[in-house]
Amino acid sequence: GQQVMQIPQYQHVQEGEDFTTYCNSSTTLSNIQWYKQRPGGHPVFLIQLVKSGEVKKQKRLTFQFGEAKKNSSLHITATQTTDVGTYFCHDAGNMLTFGGGTRLMVKP
Amino acid sequence: DAGVTQSPTHLIKTRGQQVTLRCSPKSGHDTVSWYQQALGQGPQFIFQYYEEEERQRGNFPDRFSGHQFPNYSSELNVNALLLGDSALYLCASSLGLGYTFGSGTRLTVV
Repeated sequence: GQQVMQIPQYQHVQEGEDFTTYCNSSTTLSNIQWYKQRPGGHPVFLIQLVKSGEVKKQKRLTFQFGEAKKNSSLHITATQTTDVGTYFCHDAGNMLTFGGGTRLMVKP
Repeated sequence: DAGVTQSPTHLIKTRGQQVTLRCSPKSGHDTVSWYQQALGQGPQFIFQYYEEEERQRGNFPDRFSGHQFPNYSSELNVNALLLGDSALYLCASSLGLGYTFGSGTRLTVV
């Protein structure tokens, strides 16, 4: 069946360093969404990407959708302690599948 | 504008029992999806309801069933509970772009 893999599973960074999480699908995605879940919280919608090669920015966050629409990435520039949480990609097309998430920990 | 409301917030059940979880979607949202999230893992899709019909279903056994009412609220029912059903159950509503999640129901099966 269709799988959505995310790497890395965990990432420790020093405050101010950059962070990237990658999402890879075994099948072509119609669109992909990104969510952030704070410890003890629930997923919060960040963005949706639809077009091949699409790049969107939200302040320090940059989201990319691969040309083949099988992968996506989220990059955070100059991390802050408020960025702590688990970042999930989500195939909002047919299978509504979440990736396993990347847990970001930021050392002040 | 209220977001997604789930009840109860916490629940403890015994193996073999049945449980019903409830979800009120965000105002204006007509689609409700249910997810199971085990500790440290990503949410696993259970099913999605739209116009009172199950539109999609993930890889969950028939013990998991649901319902959507005319006001778009939804219920998730789990029969014959197993210890492995212990998890956070998340409800999400949507109207096109993005899903709005509730805070979840923490189910513990003992």
